[in-house]
Amino acid sequence: AQKVTQAQTEISVVEKEDVTLDCVYETRDTTYYLFWYKQPPSGELVFLIRRNSFDEQNEISGRYSWNFQKSTSSFNFTITASQVVDSAVYFCALFSTDSWGKFQFGAGTQVVVTP
Amino acid sequence: DAGITQSPRHKVTETGTPVTLRCHQTENHRYMYWYRQDPGHGLRLIHYSYGVKDTDKGEVSDGYSVSRSKTEDFLLTLESATSSQTSVYFCAISEWGTDTQYFGPGTRLTVL
Repeated sequence: AQKVTQAQTEISVVEKEDVTLDCVYETRDTTYYLFWYKQPPSGELVFLIRRNSFDEQNEISGRYSWNFQKSTSSFNFTITASQVVDSAVYFCALFSTDSWGKFQFGAGTQVVVTP
Repeated sequence: DAGITQSPRHKVTETGTPVTLRCHQTENHRYMYWYRQDPGHGLRLIHYSYGVKDTDKGEVSDGYSVSRSKTEDFLLTLESATSSQTSVYFCAISEWGTDTQYFGPGTRLTVL
């Protein structure tokens, strides 16, 4: 069985503050993929990043960065210098090859950025 | 734009009536998925398809059926809608089972 836990239900920050979203996953498989999606108030789901279990290299894309640590089964996401447009629900998701075709999503973290 | 459309985008229906939601893709991807999104639950997989006429159940498949007679269309049917099926339904596509899933705009369904 696989599981994704996003313990933070909501995070509120003031613009320009950094915000880190936690994601902890469980899987018995050695080959798996981790994802982050963003859902702005308009409702669509926007893909942000995909990582596989063999690549623990951290990644930075503009103001976004991801910290993947297999030792703690975590795939955390940081927004640097947050902006109002970052206000959204962010979902972490896991796909492992022993659950073929089936993504497991976390419950999501609501990020509220105020000016 | 991943070339995914869902119809209808909004629907209000009554308990006990049948409802069919349609997902259409222009990308010719092999895999298609139906999810429902409810507060506190994230997205939960209802059914998915790995090819024409090939489908499998997800986590919350009770009360739902699906069909895929063409690569581009994946239909989700509620045979007899219940109020517990009030939700936002998302369709997704991917080329392979391990690939990134891209989502449609969603359908908001209200069952009174």
